[in-house]
Amino acid sequence: DADVTQTPRNRITKTGKRIMLECSQTKGHDRMYWYRQDPGLGLRLIYYSFDVKDINKGEISDGYSVSRQAQAKFSLSLESAIPNQTALYFCATSDPQGVQETQYFGPGTRLLVL
Amino acid sequence: LAKTTQPISMDSYEGQEVNITCSHNNIATNDYITWYQQFPSQGPRFIIQGYKTKVTNEVASLFIPADRKSSTLSLPRVSLSDTAVYYCLVGEIYNQGGKLIFGQGTELSVKP
Repeated sequence: DADVTQTPRNRITKTGKRIMLECSQTKGHDRMYWYRQDPGLGLRLIYYSFDVKDINKGEISDGYSVSRQAQAKFSLSLESAIPNQTALYFCATSDPQGVQETQYFGPGTRLLVL
Repeated sequence: LAKTTQPISMDSYEGQEVNITCSHNNIATNDYITWYQQFPSQGPRFIIQGYKTKVTNEVASLFIPADRKSSTLSLPRVSLSDTAVYYCLVGEIYNQGGKLIFGQGTELSVKP
């Protein structure tokens, strides 16, 4: 979805380095999410935020932190990257309306930790 | 959250109807069933969502039996561009945003 952008799209870093992945959205949604995807494991939720003052851990938050700088921006940080954090990372947004809640995903950031 | 089980992979040919079934034996009363599609190197994209009986949109149909312990995503007359991974998710809609569980999905391969 072009309304959800992620930077960078690709990143190579070394073990122990701090890295930040950024997500911006123009959909005006309050809810934002960070997922990681590994081959054969589907997507796993890292952190999510239902509004600017709300941050919640997902199923695999260890080794990650997030910052919700504004309604439109949600950043994911790896304080000290390790090789098993090599994965494809997706940001998503949603805005529940009635009984239907659709998540809109960004294009992904491919991260390689050496 | 209800666990879902779906086939790891399926093959089809252009023009055929494809049905992907998802089992969710422990679905709760407030749970909805949602399907997403993911192309390689892209984020998942919402396809369809339902609670019971049948739902149809311009892309697919979703069939849910009365006991709601399974659901079937039906893709009419698939084309090569329908080759993707399809995920079945079950969760309470108002809290679903924070609790979406993506399993392995079904990798659909459409051949000419």
